[in-house]
Amino acid sequence: DGGITQSPKYLFRKEGQNVTLSCEQNLNHDAMYWYRQDPGQGLRLIYYSQIVNDFQKGDIAEGYSVSREKKESFPLTVTSAQKNPTAFYLCASSIDLAVRGGSYTFGSGTRLTVV
Amino acid sequence: QQQVKQSPQSLIVQKGGISIINCAYENTAFDYFPWYQQFPGKGPALLIAIRPDVSEKKEGRFTISFNKSAKQFSLHIMDSQPGDSATYFCAAANSGGYQKVTFGIGTKLQVIP
Repeated sequence: DGGITQSPKYLFRKEGQNVTLSCEQNLNHDAMYWYRQDPGQGLRLIYYSQIVNDFQKGDIAEGYSVSREKKESFPLTVTSAQKNPTAFYLCASSIDLAVRGGSYTFGSGTRLTVV
Repeated sequence: QQQVKQSPQSLIVQKGGISIINCAYENTAFDYFPWYQQFPGKGPALLIAIRPDVSEKKEGRFTISFNKSAKQFSLHIMDSQPGDSATYFCAAANSGGYQKVTFGIGTKLQVIP
């Protein structure tokens, strides 16, 4: 079955640590996205990528970094510069940026907790 | 600046009742309005979507009503069931260019027996 796989499902980070969240898709989608979800704040865009080796900052990119070395993979690193990283992180993909606006496929998310 | 305003943030409905969630947008360039359904611990999934050339779209018990002049759209869930209990997000996008989607804040729906 085609879809998006996020791992791990739960992640605990100590203060000052960098952690990397994995996102893999086998949908042959060009565009990939990272969202952060907090209670009462909806979905906020962290980074997005429309093609390999290209990515753009979203609305809340500070303290995060990404890479897009392969079409299928879009890992997110939460750095120590992110002061409030506890949240539910969602990876999404779409066929491309220009077609079928809004038709995203989401992964099942990673819940990150600072301990 | 919240470009898509969604209300209410939480909603409790009796089984068999109608659940109504409302959204309003500001950017007239938006031309695609999807709704996503999210169950706890899962990612959102596309539920139903509408374009502004129609005023209503129905899929089973789910209906989107769209008012272009008022820049408002709403989701109606008829004969609500406990299995509909989830968080619902409205969204808006401009499909003609960069596909960045703007999401509403979400509505947590609880359908009680």
